[in-house]
Amino acid sequence: DAGVIQSPRHEVTEMGQEVTLRCKPISGHNSLFWYRQTMMRGLELLIYFNNNVPIDDSGMPEDRFSAKMPNASFSTLKIQPSEPRDSAVYFCASSLGARETQYFGPGTRLLVL
Amino acid sequence: KNEVEQSPQNLTAQEGEFITINCSYSVGISALHWLQQHPGGGIVSLFMLSSGKKKHGRLIATINIQEKHSSLHITASHPRDSAVYICAAEVNDMRFGAGTRLTVKP
Repeated sequence: DAGVIQSPRHEVTEMGQEVTLRCKPISGHNSLFWYRQTMMRGLELLIYFNNNVPIDDSGMPEDRFSAKMPNASFSTLKIQPSEPRDSAVYFCASSLGARETQYFGPGTRLLVL
Repeated sequence: KNEVEQSPQNLTAQEGEFITINCSYSVGISALHWLQQHPGGGIVSLFMLSSGKKKHGRLIATINIQEKHSSLHITASHPRDSAVYICAAEVNDMRFGAGTRLTVKP
């Protein structure tokens, strides 16, 4: 299995631009998680899905952030408009179920100038 | 005060030493996770436990639910164990500790 796949691996954009991060979970996994990691705040859970349904989005910083999971094999995290403080590494993880071991993708390193 | 506290923040050891990293939490949890983040940034889930002890190779994780405390032990440490170790308390969401940066010198 290829593991969790994230794209792009790196993204540099200008403030105000829309950014879309993509994640393909491990086949057969029913839960998908989006995390953000910064030096200041460490790892934070943004949102997680169970069977393609958003369960908890309380970690989403503000309305500029949105996440979708249109099917079991694909999820997106969108930031519109982006701001410099959104610069971080964004990780996607998947698991068989909500309370199972999570497998992390390689992350997307986002830099907003 | 953070809900999940790790100690120490930084740890340097000589190859072969026994390592202990501690994690205390103040919330009721359904599970406690230990993660390893490599210098390149990749994250690997090491353990998920809700009681007792788990062992995988040279790594051992223990949890005491009553004391709200977990420990991660590494026996016969090796330079390749150098990484940041993060504990996370699973409540309805995940609450992360700040991480312990371990450096094992040859």
